[in-house]
Amino acid sequence: KQEVTQIPAALSVPEGENLVLNCSFTDSAIYNLQWFRQDPGKGLTSLLLIQSSQREQTSGRLNASLDKSSGRSTLYIAASQPGDSATYLCAVRPRASNTGKLIFGQGTTLQVKP
Amino acid sequence: SQTIHQWPATLVQPVGSPLSLECTVEGTSNPNLYWYRQAAGRGLQLLFYSVGIGQISSEVPQNLSASRPQDRQFILSSKKLLLSDSGFYLCAWSFGQGAFYGYTFGSGTRLTVV
Repeated sequence: KQEVTQIPAALSVPEGENLVLNCSFTDSAIYNLQWFRQDPGKGLTSLLLIQSSQREQTSGRLNASLDKSSGRSTLYIAASQPGDSATYLCAVRPRASNTGKLIFGQGTTLQVKP
Repeated sequence: SQTIHQWPATLVQPVGSPLSLECTVEGTSNPNLYWYRQAAGRGLQLLFYSVGIGQISSEVPQNLSASRPQDRQFILSSKKLLLSDSGFYLCAWSFGQGAFYGYTFGSGTRLTVV
């Protein structure tokens, strides 16, 4: 059974700091891994999608890496800003499922202090 | 461009009352549609998915049901709400194939059963 874990559960950093969010998954048989952002009381915004054959994806100050063999992904945020404060969720799409469903981690709640 | 609409944004309902949450997608045809629930302190859990009109699959046994009366409309319902039905409900649609399978989520409905 695929399980996704995100560490830490919460993180508080001063503005301008570079930071890394971690995601691990137990079964490497995945189609892709996706990072989402969720603001309080809001829906999910897709940040980056990494296909199983890829090693990383970049968008602006965000860089996500994928090491499928070790079951790990990291989301790197450069020069953090207060506007980056949100909960970040990673999710994998398992090959074992033909429904297209995602398995989510519990998320990391990030607070960037001005 | 593709958009997904979900309403209402918030809902407070008494135990035993019926429920109807609606989700519509624009700008695409024959999408895969999903209902997820995010309960307090827990990750997102897939409730239902649909690959076409009238085709509904349930991931977990529960008090809820789903219907897809039109290609781009997905409805989550209950005849009698339970306290345990409280949570944040998210509709999503997916696009692409295989490793290119990405998700877009709606803005969510916060349901409180009292």
